[in-house]
Amino acid sequence: KAGVTQTPRYLIKTRGQQVTLSCSPISGHRSVSWYQQTPGQGLQFLFEYFSETQRNKGNFPGRFSGRQFSNSRSEMNVSTLELGDSALYLCASSPGITPTEAFFGQGTRLTVV
Amino acid sequence: AQKITQTQPGMFVQEKEAVTLDCTYDTSDPSYGLFWYKQPSSGEMIFLIYQGSYDQQNATEGRYSLNFQKARKSANLVISASQLGDSAMYFCAMRPMNSGYSTLTFGKGTMLLVSP
Repeated sequence: KAGVTQTPRYLIKTRGQQVTLSCSPISGHRSVSWYQQTPGQGLQFLFEYFSETQRNKGNFPGRFSGRQFSNSRSEMNVSTLELGDSALYLCASSPGITPTEAFFGQGTRLTVV
Repeated sequence: AQKITQTQPGMFVQEKEAVTLDCTYDTSDPSYGLFWYKQPSSGEMIFLIYQGSYDQQNATEGRYSLNFQKARKSANLVISASQLGDSAMYFCAMRPMNSGYSTLTFGKGTMLLVSP
C-alpha cells in the first residue's frame, strides 16, 4: 500500500511569486489536511479537505488556498510569497470517517528568497 | 479549543534504556484521540501510536507504549530499550472525535538523543 506522496520535495521561490504544492493521499483515504511547520511557530494547521470540500480552515491569510480533486489528491497554493512563508509543508491523509489514523507525507520544504 | 503541552525541549538517554516523553493536554471535547509522531531530520512525520479517550487500556505498539492518565490529562510516550535510530523530534497531538474534522493540534515537540 503506497504512502502519502508530496511533490515536490524541495522548492526555492522568489518573494512575490506563487507556488503550488501537491499531495496524493493513501488509496481510499478521503481526508487531506495541510500543516505548516516553522522553527518559531511549530506545526500549524492550514486547512482540511474531505470529498472535495474544505471542512476546516486554520488562521492563515487568504494568500493560502487549496483544493481537492475527485481522486482525493490535493493541492495547496500560496500566492505573493513572503520570506516568512519559508517552511516545511506537511500533508496528512486520513480515512475521514474513523479519525484514528493520520499519516503524513515527507513534506515539501519551501524556501522563499 | 485544544492545547498540547510538551515541557521537555530535549531528552538524553543511553542506548537500551527506557525513556518517557511527557505530554499534557487540555480540551473541552468529551471524545478525543491522542497521537504520537516521530520526526527524524529528514522531515517526515512518522505515526507511532494512538490512544482514544474512551479506550480502557493503554495503547502499545512494539517498543512504544502510551501512559494515558485521563484524570490528569496526560498522555506520556514510553519508549523501551532505546535504539540509536530513535534519535529524533517527537510530537504529541490530539484531535476531537465527534467534530467531523480530522484536524490535529500539536505540541512543540521534544528532541530525543540516544547515545551509545
